Amino acid sequence: SQQGEEDPQALSIQEGENATMNCSYKTSINNLQWYRQNSGRGLVHLILIRSNEREKHSGRLRVTLDTSKKSSSLLITASRAADTASYFCATEGTSYGKLTFGQGTILTVHP
Amino acid sequence: DAGVIQSPRHEVTEMGQEVTLRCKPISGHDYLFWYRQTMMRGLELLIYFNNNVPIDDSGMPEDRFSAKMPNASFSTLKIQPSEPRDSAVYFCASSLVSPPDTQYFGPGTRLTVL
Repeated sequence: SQQGEEDPQALSIQEGENATMNCSYKTSINNLQWYRQNSGRGLVHLILIRSNEREKHSGRLRVTLDTSKKSSSLLITASRAADTASYFCATEGTSYGKLTFGQGTILTVHP
Repeated sequence: DAGVIQSPRHEVTEMGQEVTLRCKPISGHDYLFWYRQTMMRGLELLIYFNNNVPIDDSGMPEDRFSAKMPNASFSTLKIQPSEPRDSAVYFCASSLVSPPDTQYFGPGTRLTVL
């Protein structure tokens, strides 16, 4: 089974609204990362949060991590049509350098 | 830097044929990863290398799949013989050892086995 599982599977919003995606995982992690994939392209790294961190910001992105609940959330504020993509969480566990990806959330931002 | 380079970008072949996918990682990166992405199974890690040595190949589906990394700037993923269920997008990614780093993905090879 997937280490990371995103929720919801699909999200449709209007430009300017905020988008929140959640990720749950099962085992202990060293860090959790979020990636974006535009249709037909490779994945692009967005943000990394370490297991001893609770919140991190990067531009319009805000990531939280709750290791007690084994969950993370990605918030995209003031969304734009260009944010339309699939978003994946990925966890690094005990195997250094090895990431396990979730199934992803498909985000559609309507202009 | 040109990023991770994969070739070919698209491959169409017939069942039973040998397929070779190629990857050039970012210069200086210590890790190289091969993934497969399908609608049904999502993104699966097939194998990864550290300093050209295979570390974990537990994701390789079966003996028909093999991967090599003869030097720090080149890796291949070979499928022999190919089957229709191998149709997928295959990604190569690379990363640095330390600090815990992100993975940089190539554009992928879309493989179709008829």
